[in-house]
Amino acid sequence: GEDVEQSLFLSVREGDSSVINCTYTDSSSTYLYWYKQEPGAGLQLLTYIFSNMDMKQDQRLTVLLNKKDKHLSLRIADTQTGDSAIYFCAVNAGNNRKLIWGLGTSLAVNP
Amino acid sequence: DAGITQSPRHKVTETGTPVTLRCHQTENHRYMYWYRQDPGHGLRLIHYSYGVKDTDKGEVSDGYSVSRSKTEDFLLTLESATSSQTSVYFCAISAEENSYNEQFFGPGTRLTVL
Repeated sequence: GEDVEQSLFLSVREGDSSVINCTYTDSSSTYLYWYKQEPGAGLQLLTYIFSNMDMKQDQRLTVLLNKKDKHLSLRIADTQTGDSAIYFCAVNAGNNRKLIWGLGTSLAVNP
Repeated sequence: DAGITQSPRHKVTETGTPVTLRCHQTENHRYMYWYRQDPGHGLRLIHYSYGVKDTDKGEVSDGYSVSRSKTEDFLLTLESATSSQTSVYFCAISAEENSYNEQFFGPGTRLTVL
């Protein structure tokens, strides 16, 4: 079946850039997402990219999509301690309004 | 924040007892989802609904049932709770008009089955 994989942990220093990577198997996915989960809270959509784009930038966030390699990345510039959270990669699964989720990458930002 | 609440927020129960979790939305969104989140497993879909009385199974539906008799409420029932159902349960909603299918999440319910 379809799968989404991402590394489980990332540790960076405050002020550095963070890059979180994700690979997926479903080549028919039209939307790809990054969600953020802060401790004790539900998930919130951080950003998304449509499959006909290869890059999307939103303030400190840059999403890169390589459709050929089925690789999605999220870059956070000037990472702050408030960015410490779990980041989930997700892709849509065809037309049935379901999403396929990665396991989440726990980002730790060290002062 | 999307108007989505979950109740209870915390529950401790014993093996074999029935448990019902409630998800309530004030956004009139068509789609509603129940997920469970466990360490090492990420987010797994239990059941989802695409309208009143229209529901379908997700990847981990065994031991769970759902009902949606009104647009605003989506109930998740554990008929006979087991320790393996100890988890954090999240409800999510999504609007039909939202072409990119953003899902809005509730705050979660932490369920412990002893």
